[in-house]
Amino acid sequence: KQEVTQIPAALSVPEGENLVLNCSFTDSAIYNLQWFRQDPGKGLTSLLLIQSSQREQTSGRLNASLDKSSGRSTLYIAASQPGDSATYLCAGRTGANSKLTFGKGITLSVRP
Amino acid sequence: EPEVTQTPSHQVTQMGQEVILRCVPISNHLYFYWYRQILGQKVEFLVSFYNNEISEKSEIFDDQFSVERPDGSNFTLKIRSTKLEDSAMYFCASTTELLAKNIQYFGAGTRLSVL
Repeated sequence: KQEVTQIPAALSVPEGENLVLNCSFTDSAIYNLQWFRQDPGKGLTSLLLIQSSQREQTSGRLNASLDKSSGRSTLYIAASQPGDSATYLCAGRTGANSKLTFGKGITLSVRP
Repeated sequence: EPEVTQTPSHQVTQMGQEVILRCVPISNHLYFYWYRQILGQKVEFLVSFYNNEISEKSEIFDDQFSVERPDGSNFTLKIRSTKLEDSAMYFCASTTELLAKNIQYFGAGTRLSVL
């Protein structure tokens, strides 16, 4: 059974800092992993999807990596801005269209 | 950009009442999902639906829950007799069959409050 963990639960950084959000998973047979952003009381916005055959995926200031052997994924945010403040969730999938298993999320606060 | 639409955004109901949560997935998508998030907890999978039948369901998805695709556009989640612990945000998601693009797109959610 896939378990997804995100530590720490919360992070506060000054504006402009580069930061890394961590995600770990227990089942190395992961098919792909998706990173989401969630604003308070809102839905889930997909940020990046990284396939098991990929090591990295980039979109603007965001870069996601995936290391199946170590059971880890990271989301790198460059030059953080106050508008990046939100909860970031990672979710893994063990089959092409199977369910997503979510971590609890990391609540990021970027201080002006 | 196409999006998943959920209605209502907030539903208040009395314990024991039936509720139907509605979703309009992205039009060319073939796989549909319901998830829920109890306040302060992880997003949890409830059920997946493909080709007019349930493809997978979790332990949460008991006999009180049902899903339906009544027409070519809507996808609904019914809770027959709501309990206090059903209070949560319910998310609908959909994805295309194209493997390279099988991002799951989520709706904005329906907040269900059971009193």
